[in-house]
Amino acid sequence: DVKVTQSSRYLVKRTGEKVFLECVQDMDHENMFWYRQDPGLGLRLIYFSYDVKMKEKGDIPEGYSVSREKKERFSLILESASTNQTSMYLCASSLREPQHFGDGTRLSIL
Amino acid sequence: GDSVTQMEGPVTLSEEAFLTINCTYTATGYPSLFWYVQYPGEGLQLLLKATKADDKGSNKGFEATYRKETTSFHLEKGSVQVSDSAVYFCALSDFNGNQFYFGTGTSLTVIP
Repeated sequence: DVKVTQSSRYLVKRTGEKVFLECVQDMDHENMFWYRQDPGLGLRLIYFSYDVKMKEKGDIPEGYSVSREKKERFSLILESASTNQTSMYLCASSLREPQHFGDGTRLSIL
Repeated sequence: GDSVTQMEGPVTLSEEAFLTINCTYTATGYPSLFWYVQYPGEGLQLLLKATKADDKGSNKGFEATYRKETTSFHLEKGSVQVSDSAVYFCALSDFNGNQFYFGTGTSLTVIP
């Protein structure tokens, strides 16, 4: 079974902090994705990556950046956290289809 | 562009009732279609999928048939259980399998 591991289930940070969310997959998948999930809005794609050191903006990249230095790891970075970034963040990976998801990180920005 | 529309919830059913959650899609080419389930506090899990027209995906008593003529992929279950309470997402991937599009999710609550 594919395993996608997100480093934290719950995280509380303060406004203005730089926040790192880590995601690791163990199936040598080329594609990795970061989404945020908010009530009534479903999943919104923040960034994705098709290969090491490669990244593409999704639908809502503002305020975020990503890093993919190794194939198995895809990091989401909140450069200067703001309260409107309080959300559930989901990481996914795939080799073509389907996508496999981690358990999510519920991030609160105070 | 490609998109998925699913019925809004929340949906509340009694145990053993019949479930239908509607999903329609817009896509160019020949997408694959998926249903994911999200239990409280967890990530999304793949429930079932179909990769071409008239395919039927099934898992855990849930079924969905890929209908190209109506661009639909409705989720059905004949007799729901309390443990089926979750949020259900319809999704499609493009023909490359690299781009995914999700519906907004339908919350299901099953009461004893």
